[in-house]
Amino acid sequence: GQQLNQSPQSMFIQEGEDVSMNCTSSSIFNTWLWYKQEPGEGPVLLIALYKAGELTSNGRLTAQFGITRKDSFLNISASIPSDVGIYFCAGQPPRGNTPLVFGKGTRLSVIA
Amino acid sequence: DTAVSQTPKYLVTQMGNDKSIKCEQNLGHDTMYWYKQDSKKFLKIMFSYNNKELIINETVPNRFSPKSPDKAHLNLHINSLELGDSAVYFCASSQPGLNSPLHFGNGTRLTVT
Repeated sequence: GQQLNQSPQSMFIQEGEDVSMNCTSSSIFNTWLWYKQEPGEGPVLLIALYKAGELTSNGRLTAQFGITRKDSFLNISASIPSDVGIYFCAGQPPRGNTPLVFGKGTRLSVIA
Repeated sequence: DTAVSQTPKYLVTQMGNDKSIKCEQNLGHDTMYWYKQDSKKFLKIMFSYNNKELIINETVPNRFSPKSPDKAHLNLHINSLELGDSAVYFCASSQPGLNSPLHFGNGTRLTVT
């Protein structure tokens, strides 16, 4: 089945730094989603991208749907301690009734 | 509150037992899912139901049986629990359609001893 390569696997950054993570695939996707999971909770949707080339912001978060439809990135600017968590990308394959494909997550740690 | 809620949050049981996890959503969504998250945090879909009808079953052992009494509920029953079933199980829901984002519950941590 389709797979997503999410990188980096983990990041340790200082508070105030900018963060960038991305997902790539050899297959195309119709939709890219970015989720954040905090300890003891389920993943929460941060940003949804529906068109190739689309660039969308949500506060300090910015994500883009790659023009080839095979990749997406998420940037976090001026990180704060509450940004800590695991960030997942997810892609919706074009084939009908095919489930979302999730990346393996980027574990973000922010040092105050 | 509008949400996807699942119970229990923690479940500790012995090998061989049968257990159930309940899920309810009040978002008015037609589609519900069960995901399994392993110790490495990898999310893997197990089942998807659309309006009480099974549409995705991702090669899950038949010890796992989902039941959807109505479109707002999708329960997961597990027979003859094994050590490898230990994981966090997430219920989720979405509007119908390929591009609709998932809304997740807060998970049920199952520990089989």
